[in-house]
Amino acid sequence: EVQLVESGGEVIHPGGSLRVSCAASGLTLSDNFMSWVRQTPGKGLEWVSVIYSAGVTYYADSVRGRFTISRDDSKNTLYLQMNSLRVEDTAVYYCARLGFHDYGSGKYPFWDYWGQGTLVTVSS
Amino acid sequence: DIQMTQSPSSVSASVGDRVTITCRASQSIGNDLNWYQQRPGKAPKLLIFGASTLHSGVPARFSGGGSGTDFTLTISSLQPEDFATYYCQQSYSTPLYTFGQGTKLEIK
Repeated sequence: EVQLVESGGEVIHPGGSLRVSCAASGLTLSDNFMSWVRQTPGKGLEWVSVIYSAGVTYYADSVRGRFTISRDDSKNTLYLQMNSLRVEDTAVYYCARLGFHDYGSGKYPFWDYWGQGTLVTVSS
Repeated sequence: DIQMTQSPSSVSASVGDRVTITCRASQSIGNDLNWYQQRPGKAPKLLIFGASTLHSGVPARFSGGGSGTDFTLTISSLQPEDFATYYCQQSYSTPLYTFGQGTKLEIK
């Protein structure tokens, strides 16, 4: 059974830094594409970042240059380092596996495994 | 960025009713459209991928349709556990996948 367990969310002041983690079991992170997706009451669900199995990373414009996604293969854990935090970064942060269905001439990507989320609150 | 617009934003229905939710993309996305269900306090759960393929374990009362820019999610006979918020999500523009704003399905 696949389990993704996030941790590290807390209340942090604007301009501060925080690292959230996602411990995986039943799934090897280095064999998969892993994402961070966040949810706010105002903007809804928003993709934040992805790390491919080969280690290539991508970021949403709203976090590029401030957030860094990484993984520790020895611990099978995904991280999101968040710097220069802003009030608008307040959200529940989910880690999620990007799965694929191969239909022959292409693939359909989707998020099929999600953690329970960790709440990051940026407030003075 | 591809914008996804769902309608309605909320809908009230009764157990046994048939409900359809619509999702429109700001440009053509082929069949690269997924649907998720989210219950309060829980993570989203994948229901449908590729616009119309049910994910493993999803009841057959759920169905998806459409292609290009217009898509639908239909629940043929609502069950109590179906009252939740539903999101569409495009998987066309790698890696910037965007969600609709959600449709809250409430008990009438």
